[in-house]
Amino acid sequence: EVQLVESGGGLVQPGGSLRLSCAASGFIFSSYEMNWVRQAPGKGLEWVSYVSNIDSTAHYADSVKGRFTITRDNAKNSLYLQMNSLRAEDTAVYYCARDRRVFNLWGRGTLVTVSS
Amino acid sequence: EIVMTQSPATLSLSPGDRATLSCRASQSIGSDLAWYQQRPGQAPRLLIYGASTRATGVPGRFGGSGSGTEFTLTISSLQSEDFAVYYCQQYTNWPPRWTFGQGTNVEIK
Repeated sequence: EVQLVESGGGLVQPGGSLRLSCAASGFIFSSYEMNWVRQAPGKGLEWVSYVSNIDSTAHYADSVKGRFTITRDNAKNSLYLQMNSLRAEDTAVYYCARDRRVFNLWGRGTLVTVSS
Repeated sequence: EIVMTQSPATLSLSPGDRATLSCRASQSIGSDLAWYQQRPGQAPRLLIYGASTRATGVPGRFGGSGSGTEFTLTISSLQSEDFAVYYCQQYTNWPPRWTFGQGTNVEIK
C-alpha cells in the first residue's frame, strides 16, 4: 500500500526542540520530492518546507526559516523535520506530503503542541 | 507572497445540490492551481491540479475552471461524502512560496 506515516509529535515547551519523522512505503521514495505542510488547530493549511530527491536541496517558509531543517534518508525511505526554537504559533498537525508543487499523497499527520 | 482568498467561507447545501466554490489569487498564477478536500479528522486529498485536471480516482462530478486570478471548483450534485472543507493552493513560485486559501466549508443544510 502506498502510504506516508508521520511520528515524533508531542508536547514541548517554548524554545524547545522536536524531530518529526515520516516513513514512506509502497513507492520508490528516492524518486520523489517531499514536503512538510502544517495545520494549526481549527485553521487552514500552510506549506512549511520542501526537499529535493536528487541533491536534498531544501526550501522553507519564512515563518520557519533558520529554525527548522528538513532532511531525508533515501536508504531508510524516511523524511525528517528538525524543529528548534519552537514557538506557540508552531502548534499544529504536521503532515508530510509527496511531490513538487502539487501534493498528491499525504500522511495522517502528527500533532505538535508548544506550550508551557 | 501570493494571497489566496476563498469564498464563501461556508456553503450550506442539501445532497443533490450543485456547489460552486471560488478562489481568487492576489496576482496572476496562470493555471498553477490545485484544489484539495479535507474531511473531518482526515488528511487533505488532492482533487484538481492545473486548475482543471482531475486527480486519479476523483469522481467526474468534481470540476475545476479558471485561469489567471479567478478560479472555480464545481461539484455538480453533492453526495454525502462531499460535505467537507475545500482548499485551493497556488504553486506558481520557484523557489517555493506555495500558499493555500483559508478554506470553504461545505456543510449540510
